[in-house]
Amino acid sequence: DSGVTQTPKHLITATGQRVTLRCSPRSGDLSVYWYQQSLDQGLQFLIQYYNGEERAKGNILERFSAQQFPDLHSELNLSSLELGDSALYFCASSVTGFAGANVLTFGAGSRLTVL
Amino acid sequence: AQSVTQLDSHVSVSEGTPVLLRCNYSSSYSPSLFWYVQHPNKGLQLLLKYTSAATLVKGINGFEAEFKKSETSFHLTKPSAHMSDAAEYFCVVSDGSGANNLFFGTGTRLTVIP
Repeated sequence: DSGVTQTPKHLITATGQRVTLRCSPRSGDLSVYWYQQSLDQGLQFLIQYYNGEERAKGNILERFSAQQFPDLHSELNLSSLELGDSALYFCASSVTGFAGANVLTFGAGSRLTVL
Repeated sequence: AQSVTQLDSHVSVSEGTPVLLRCNYSSSYSPSLFWYVQHPNKGLQLLLKYTSAATLVKGINGFEAEFKKSETSFHLTKPSAHMSDAAEYFCVVSDGSGANNLFFGTGTRLTVIP
């Protein structure tokens, strides 16, 4: 157990629907990162939050949004889902907001299947 | 600009033989370099990291990597493969600034043959 908790582990939904993925960072970590892992795109950085504020944005679609709450947990909202959104979504956390200088601790992922 | 290239998408070794997973990087700055491992249905776990200290970095589970600036390489090695080493391995480069400057390689799948 890495200390980063992601729910749900698996999610199956239909095109056009909206889902919310949840992440609780490791105790003491202030920064949360979201990644999408698919077979054709590999591991893609989506967005980072640090202590409730957006810190960096990657290849996140406009249909996707995220936030980090005062208790530091984070949610990734995916809307108007398409077949191509099927992927493994990882959350990671680190102590500070500097990803390169700090080790990222990853959760086990949420596998999203869009039918 | 930064990038990382993992030269082999799949490596297969026999149990007890050496492991070599190759990684080349491109960075405009003095990079931080990492190797992460992903076992099936698990998240990524840090194996080791290089942050401009000793060029030979020792990690967990007997893995090590050597930073060679002249060759822009950061290859991962292990003297003797174990069945539990079968997993996907990712080389990662960063210039240390932000999360959007953390680049993951495409991964190398290691198969260990008994």
